[in-house]
Amino acid sequence: DAKTTQPTSMDCAEGRAANLPCNHSTISGNEYVYWYRQIHSQGPQYIIHGLKNNETNEMASLIITEDRKSSTLILPHATLRDTAVYYCIVRGRGTSYGKLTFGQGTILTVHP
Amino acid sequence: ETGVTQTPRHLVMGMTNKKSLKCEQHLGHNAMYWYKQSAKKPLELMFVYNFKEQTENNSVPSRFSPECPNSSHLFLHLHTLQPEDSALYLCASSQDPLAGHYEQYFGPGTRLTVT
Repeated sequence: DAKTTQPTSMDCAEGRAANLPCNHSTISGNEYVYWYRQIHSQGPQYIIHGLKNNETNEMASLIITEDRKSSTLILPHATLRDTAVYYCIVRGRGTSYGKLTFGQGTILTVHP
Repeated sequence: ETGVTQTPRHLVMGMTNKKSLKCEQHLGHNAMYWYKQSAKKPLELMFVYNFKEQTENNSVPSRFSPECPNSSHLFLHLHTLQPEDSALYLCASSQDPLAGHYEQYFGPGTRLTVT
């Protein structure tokens, strides 16, 4: 699976958009980009995933560049409850059984 | 979120004890997972079960013994643990990963302390 690179930490003001970048320059054509987050001392929470088109759901939007070498997770109106560690994971389909490799992620702090 | 439940939420055990962690999913999923999260470390996958069959054992020591009696329940039996096994143990479930379903839903975890 392709390796991902994320900033260690980011800050965001409450009510503003939080844009979390992820680099995956070695991604291959059949690999998807997944985003999870983990609020302190809780289990990770699935947010969104995509292949090459931009995706949006009730939690967030995922913007994937045309060359697919990077992506951005957007939380449109961040709240204090969005403070968490955000993980960007690249996974191929049809490879080993559901194995998600979690890195260090980005610590997002939303402040009042 | 009650899709995946884990009990107990906290456990303190001695190195000679035997205990079990329980996980139950109410999402109709076919695959279940055990992860370990030690302090300041990324999540580590331990075991994967798909349709009750173990499909992945990520070089986990034998003092951890998983059991999956059906697609809704997963256990982790613990015996003669070491203090370095203290961690947050997380259970997750998903639809069939071989069909490309990697959206995993996690339980709240069991905080284990080995004394």
